[in-house]
Amino acid sequence: SQTIHQWPATLVQPVGSPLSLECTVEGTSNPNLYWYRQAAGRGLQLLFYSVGIGQISSEVPQNLSASRPQDRQFILSSKKLLLSDSGFYLCAWSVRGATEAFFGQGTRLTVV
Amino acid sequence: KQEVTQIPAALSVPEGENLVLNCSFTDSAIYNLQWFRQDPGKGLTSLLLIQSSQREQTSGRLNASLDKSSGRSTLYIAASQPGDSATYLCAVRNDYKLSFGAGTTVTVRA
Repeated sequence: SQTIHQWPATLVQPVGSPLSLECTVEGTSNPNLYWYRQAAGRGLQLLFYSVGIGQISSEVPQNLSASRPQDRQFILSSKKLLLSDSGFYLCAWSVRGATEAFFGQGTRLTVV
Repeated sequence: KQEVTQIPAALSVPEGENLVLNCSFTDSAIYNLQWFRQDPGKGLTSLLLIQSSQREQTSGRLNASLDKSSGRSTLYIAASQPGDSATYLCAVRNDYKLSFGAGTTVTVRA
């Protein structure tokens, strides 16, 4: 069966520090991969999606970047965190086509 | 741009009552619609997926309907239980992208 792993679960980082969040998927090949952010009391905002290795599309301009170095690995990064980067970050995957999406357990990021 | 709205934002009911959660979307050219459950501080759990060609989908006490032409979906939860307390999110897929509503937070009182 397919599973998605996301870590760390929580993270407290000072302003200006770098960030690296990792997401891996098991049990499938060539998944579409997604990074979402959920701000307190708000809906999920799509940040990045990827349809293949090295293929990254950004939905909104921001202080973050994403990379897909391997087929089932998706990394969210920042060189210098801002206070506004605080939030709940969720990784998701789906098989290509009109199929179901599955989410990881999320990373709670607090920038102080 | 797809806009997804969920009404009501919050709902509190006594145990045993049926729940009705509404979702509307502006662009009817969707591939599918998915309902999720989110517990506080946790990720999303998929509840039901309705393909654009389907009218409804059922799983246990949950039933979701889809009227694509009018841009609406409804999630029904029968005989609610305290364990149903959570936030329920509706998401619609256009091509690669899932667009989410802000969710309905449900509290079932024992």
